[in-house]
Amino acid sequence: RKEVEQDPGPFNVPEGATVAFNCTYSNSASQSFFWYRQDCRKEPKLLMSVYSSGNEDGRFTAQLNRASQYISLLIRDSKLSDSATYLCVVTIIYGNKLVFGAGTILRVKS
Amino acid sequence: EAQVTQNPRYLITVTGKKLTVTCSQNMNHEYMSWYRQDPGLGLRQIYYSMNVEVTDKGDVPEGYKVSRKEKRNFPLILESPSPNQTSLYFCASSSGIPYNEQFFGPGTRLTVL
Repeated sequence: RKEVEQDPGPFNVPEGATVAFNCTYSNSASQSFFWYRQDCRKEPKLLMSVYSSGNEDGRFTAQLNRASQYISLLIRDSKLSDSATYLCVVTIIYGNKLVFGAGTILRVKS
Repeated sequence: EAQVTQNPRYLITVTGKKLTVTCSQNMNHEYMSWYRQDPGLGLRQIYYSMNVEVTDKGDVPEGYKVSRKEKRNFPLILESPSPNQTSLYFCASSSGIPYNEQFFGPGTRLTVL
């Protein structure tokens, strides 16, 4: 089983739609959680950190469920510019390592 | 401008010919790491370094070497490249612990024939 699993998609949605991605992680020692965005074959960039209480940044909302070991990303009012691959990232407290999910592809169409 | 640079950006080489991919950051970050990205597998960590002269293996270190002689530089060395090392490589850095935001370089696309 992969340490971090994501639905690869692609998610094809119209502009203005709300879309949600989930990510599950297997290591209960996971410490910190993030969503990164990656445009086609470019470098990943931090979208947002995920906090236990949940957090929001404009149209983006991230949630963490430690009991079920998953995190989610909700995008409201999708824009064409949201089209990208979204990477779930988990840090493992022992070993100082980061583990990336394989990513979920989002395509927003007009 | 704060950035992570990698060179070369593209490289085609042949099996067994030693190569080095350089990585440099100008943000005085302690933590640096190398990843490879392959379709369907996502980014996998090759090596990381918590600080100068401190390096450790990630998930896929076989066939790679690194060094951290200076804080700003973290080169990736392939002593004898093989076709299964054909991949997209990213260098990243962050301040202090790796739980902080990772800043990635633009990537190096390597093809080993």
